[in-house]
Amino acid sequence: QQQVKQSPQSLIVQKGGIPIINCAYENTAFDYFPWYQQFPGKGPALLIAIRPDVSEKKEGRFTISFNKSAKQFSLHIMDSQPGDSATYFCAASMSGTSGSRLTFGEGTQLTVNP
Amino acid sequence: DVKVTQSSRYLVKRTGEKVFLECVQDMDHENMFWYRQDPGLGLRLIYFSYDVKMKEKGDIPEGYSVSREKKERFSLILESASTNQTSMYLCASSENGWVETQYFGPGTRLLVL
Repeated sequence: QQQVKQSPQSLIVQKGGIPIINCAYENTAFDYFPWYQQFPGKGPALLIAIRPDVSEKKEGRFTISFNKSAKQFSLHIMDSQPGDSATYFCAASMSGTSGSRLTFGEGTQLTVNP
Repeated sequence: DVKVTQSSRYLVKRTGEKVFLECVQDMDHENMFWYRQDPGLGLRLIYFSYDVKMKEKGDIPEGYSVSREKKERFSLILESASTNQTSMYLCASSENGWVETQYFGPGTRLLVL
C-alpha cells in the first residue's frame, strides 16, 4: 500500500527547463513533506521541505508547491542544470513524534541535458 | 557533518547464506532505519529503532531481522538470503525533534545468487 504516489517515474529536460515532479498522499495526518535528492552512488539527502500551513516554499532554484485540499505537492526546479540530474524522492511524515518514520514516493529519475 | 557509514558497498552472497549488513552513525542519533531501494518502488522501510535494544517493524520486515546493541550501530540480518532480496540497502539515522531529518549512508548493493 503506497501512501505517497509520485510521478513521473523519469523525466528528461534541456538545460534551463523547469522540470516538475508531482506527489499525492492519502493520510491526512501527514504534516511534514520533505524532498530528498539522490546522486548515483550516494544515499539520499534532504533537499527542501514544507509544512501544510504554507502553499509554497522556495530555496534557491527549488520550489515546493503545496495544495492541502487536493492532498498534492510538487517540486519545481527553475533554470535546471546538468548537475541537477539525480533521482528525487518526495516523502511525508507526522511531525512531533519521536522516531517518526518517513513514507517515500516511488522516485523520479531526472536527466538534464546540456 | 553527520556521517553514516555502511560496512560494504557491494556484496555477493549465495541463496541460503546468513547475511549481516552493518551501519554506524557518529552523531549520537536516537533513531536508525533500514530501507531497501528498488527501481519503481522507491524506498521501503524494513525496520527501524528509536533506542538501544528497541526495534519496530516497517512495511516489509519479512525475511529480515535487526539488532541494536549500541546506540551508534544498527545491523540488518538476512537469516537465509533469497534471490528476491537482491537490492540496494540504505541505512539512515535521525535525532529526536519536532522535525527529524534523516541522514543516509551510501548504501550496500547486495546480489544474491
